[in-house]
Amino acid sequence: GIQVEQSPPDLILQEGANSTLRCNFSDSVNNLQWFHQNPWGQLINLFYIPSGTKQNGRLSATTVATERYSLLYISSSQTTDSGVYFCAVPSQRNYQLIWGAGTKLIIKP
Amino acid sequence: DVKVTQSSRYLVKRTGEKVFLECVQDMDHENMFWYRQDPGLGLRLIYFSYDVKMKEKGDIPEGYSVSREKKERFSLILESASTNQTSMYLCATKKTQGIIDGYTFGSGTRLTVV
Repeated sequence: GIQVEQSPPDLILQEGANSTLRCNFSDSVNNLQWFHQNPWGQLINLFYIPSGTKQNGRLSATTVATERYSLLYISSSQTTDSGVYFCAVPSQRNYQLIWGAGTKLIIKP
Repeated sequence: DVKVTQSSRYLVKRTGEKVFLECVQDMDHENMFWYRQDPGLGLRLIYFSYDVKMKEKGDIPEGYSVSREKKERFSLILESASTNQTSMYLCATKKTQGIIDGYTFGSGTRLTVV
């Protein structure tokens, strides 16, 4: 099945810094989603991005489907950006999501 | 605001107990999911349901069962809890609009089996 790898596993930054999170996947996909889980456990969808680039405020995401990776950019980090960022792609077996292990981001004030 | 509500935030159970984790949604979504989340492993799908009384095994169904008697409620059952089932459990619903699958998650239940 598809393998999803995220890097780095952990990232600690000062408030105001920029960051780039990476998601590699082992096979072609027609869907990729980025999620954020806050420190209290709540998961929310950030982007649905099978290809191309999307922006939402300080966050943007780019997926290069032909090279099987996606990047999540966070600019001018705030403490509220802390948490775990996951990428997920559909399984070829049952079309449900296969998740990466996540990148844990800590933004220090 | 749409909601997925999990009945317990924290739960401590003894080995061998039968454990019920409840999830209720108010969005009338057909698809509901149970995941477990462990450090370094991301989310892994236990079971999902695409309609009342319908269920499908996910990637790690062993030791679990589910029940969906009503559209709004999806229950995860640990028949005989074991310490390796200590984990964070997340319930989710999905609504597909066009080509986009929109997921909504509950706040999670952190289960400890002692």
